[in-house]
Amino acid sequence: KAGVTQTPRYLIKTRGQQVTLSCSPISGHRSVSWYQQTPGQGLQFLFEYFSETQRNKGNFPGRFSGRQFSNSRSEMNVSTLELGDSALYLCASSWAPLLAGLAKNIQYFGAGTRLSVL
Amino acid sequence: GQQVMQIPQYQHVQEGEDFTTYCNSSTTLSNIQWYKQRPGGHPVFLIQLVKSGEVKKQKRLTFQFGEAKKNSSLHITATQTTDVGTYFCAGPIQGAQKLVFGQGTRLTINP
Repeated sequence: KAGVTQTPRYLIKTRGQQVTLSCSPISGHRSVSWYQQTPGQGLQFLFEYFSETQRNKGNFPGRFSGRQFSNSRSEMNVSTLELGDSALYLCASSWAPLLAGLAKNIQYFGAGTRLSVL
Repeated sequence: GQQVMQIPQYQHVQEGEDFTTYCNSSTTLSNIQWYKQRPGGHPVFLIQLVKSGEVKKQKRLTFQFGEAKKNSSLHITATQTTDVGTYFCAGPIQGAQKLVFGQGTRLTINP
């Protein structure tokens, strides 16, 4: 079974531009979560999609948005890029949504997209 | 807000020494997960603990979940260079629909 696939692997953008990242989950997984990883802040939750609906959102500005398609593939968009948006963006899929109490929310991570904003 | 704290942030050991990282939550966790991220890689799931006081072993790795389900630990016996990486704990916070990750413990090993 193929793992979580993220494209592209690397991106270089300049301030003010926008970027779209893609994530294809493991077949059968309906939950896709996005995380931002930086050396100083660790793994920060961005948002989660389940059955095309955003279930929860982390503490990020509205410039960060996402969506999920009927085949569970997900995209994340960042508009008006800032230098501080430089990070590794990780996507993770799971069987079940990230509901407390369930034991089926194990996160399977993709290799990530490394975004550099110049 | 609810947080998952992890200590230490860094740990450097000689190969063959033991290593332990600790994870503490301000609230009760329904379960806790541990992940390992190798340098340049992505987090990979190691294990999930669900029951109060649970102890699980994977070869040289021992995972514990506290009685109050607020803390957890990962202990590695006789570290090897393949153990290098950052170890994260993560817990689904009650009432929230997300996993909160600890800051991670970065383990480096002197061969």
